[in-house]
Amino acid sequence: DGGITQSPKYLFRKEGQNVTLSCEQNLNHDAMYWYRQDPGQGLRLIYYSQIVNDFQKGDIAEGYSVSREKKESFPLTVTSAQKNPTAFYLCASSAPGTANQPQHFGDGTRLSIL
Amino acid sequence: SQQGEEDPQALSIQEGENATMNCSYKTSINNLQWYRQNSGRGLVHLILIRSNEREKHSGRLRVTLDTSKKSSSLLITASRAADTASYFCASDNTDKLIFGTGTRLQVFP
Repeated sequence: DGGITQSPKYLFRKEGQNVTLSCEQNLNHDAMYWYRQDPGQGLRLIYYSQIVNDFQKGDIAEGYSVSREKKESFPLTVTSAQKNPTAFYLCASSAPGTANQPQHFGDGTRLSIL
Repeated sequence: SQQGEEDPQALSIQEGENATMNCSYKTSINNLQWYRQNSGRGLVHLILIRSNEREKHSGRLRVTLDTSKKSSSLLITASRAADTASYFCASDNTDKLIFGTGTRLQVFP
């Protein structure tokens, strides 16, 4: 079955540590996105990528970094510069189109501070 | 903030009743989408309505769009306990979506 896989489901970060969240899709989608969701809140865009080897900052990119070396993969690194990383992180992908296409989501990674 | 807003923030109803959620957005759009999120899971796309459409149906879902008021509504008819979830609208802004703050729907058996 096609879909998006996020791993790990739960992740703990120590002070001063960088951690990387994995996102893999087999939907052959060009566009991929990373969102942050805080309790009881909507989604805020961290980074997005329309094609391989290209990505753009979203609304809250500070303290995060991404890479897009392969079409299937869009890992997110939460750096030590992100002072409040505790949140639910969601990865999504969509097919290209003239208007924004529906996005397909993974089941998220919940990041907590130790 | 560019985020849209939804109201109510929370809604509790009995099975069989209808549930209506409203969404307001801030910029001109090509389309508006509605998503559902079960607790602790990712979002699932429900329906997309284009800016030149005023109403769209999908099963028990009815979506309306008023671009002059920058608002949309989602109606779920004959609700079921399984409809319990959070519902989000998302307006498209060039190459990305802007999500609303969501409505938490609880349907009691």
